[in-house]
Amino acid sequence: KAGVTQTPRYLIKTRGQQVTLSCSPISGHRSVSWYQQTPGQGLQFLFEYFSETQRNKGNFPGRFSGRQFSNSRSEMNVSTLELGDSALYLCASSQWTGGDTEAFFGQGTRLTVV
Amino acid sequence: LAKTTQPISMDSYEGQEVNITCSHNNIATNDYITWYQQFPSQGPRFIIQGYKTKVTNEVASLFIPADRKSSTLSLPRVSLSDTAVYYCLVGGPNDYKLSFGAGTTVTVRA
Repeated sequence: KAGVTQTPRYLIKTRGQQVTLSCSPISGHRSVSWYQQTPGQGLQFLFEYFSETQRNKGNFPGRFSGRQFSNSRSEMNVSTLELGDSALYLCASSQWTGGDTEAFFGQGTRLTVV
Repeated sequence: LAKTTQPISMDSYEGQEVNITCSHNNIATNDYITWYQQFPSQGPRFIIQGYKTKVTNEVASLFIPADRKSSTLSLPRVSLSDTAVYYCLVGGPNDYKLSFGAGTTVTVRA
């Protein structure tokens, strides 16, 4: 079956702009999580959605937001981009949420802010 | 979530067995231990998960002692393609996020 699909794969934006990233989970998976990965901070949790409800949010400013649709697809939005937002953004899906669950990650979206 | 500690890096040669030990002294009763592998510019990939004793699959083995305060991921007969970062995570059914530490960078040389 198809894996987790993230679009676009690469993106270049200018400071101050906003960006929307998309994630299509594996069919049947209801939980979608987002992570930011940078060389300095590693993999950091952004937020998690389950059945369209955000159940957990990481320590990121309000410029980072997300949503999940009824078909489990998810989007995350970053407004007023800063240079420090340059990172690999990863989406993960799983059938349910929990540390005992296998998470399937997408290839990520490489965002570069100039 | 229980915090994990693992070595920053390990070097090995092709054909050798690589063992990565992870410490998780504060693991909770309902926590599982999960290992992920990540190649550059790709998302992490699930390798193996266990609760206690030993778990083995086609790519790795996971050894968990009775006190569960540590675990060891064993990669048999590594090849150059096993060069990656390996993350040890601990979490239970009510943990809504995965907490990744710095991971262990394993470098396999010819």
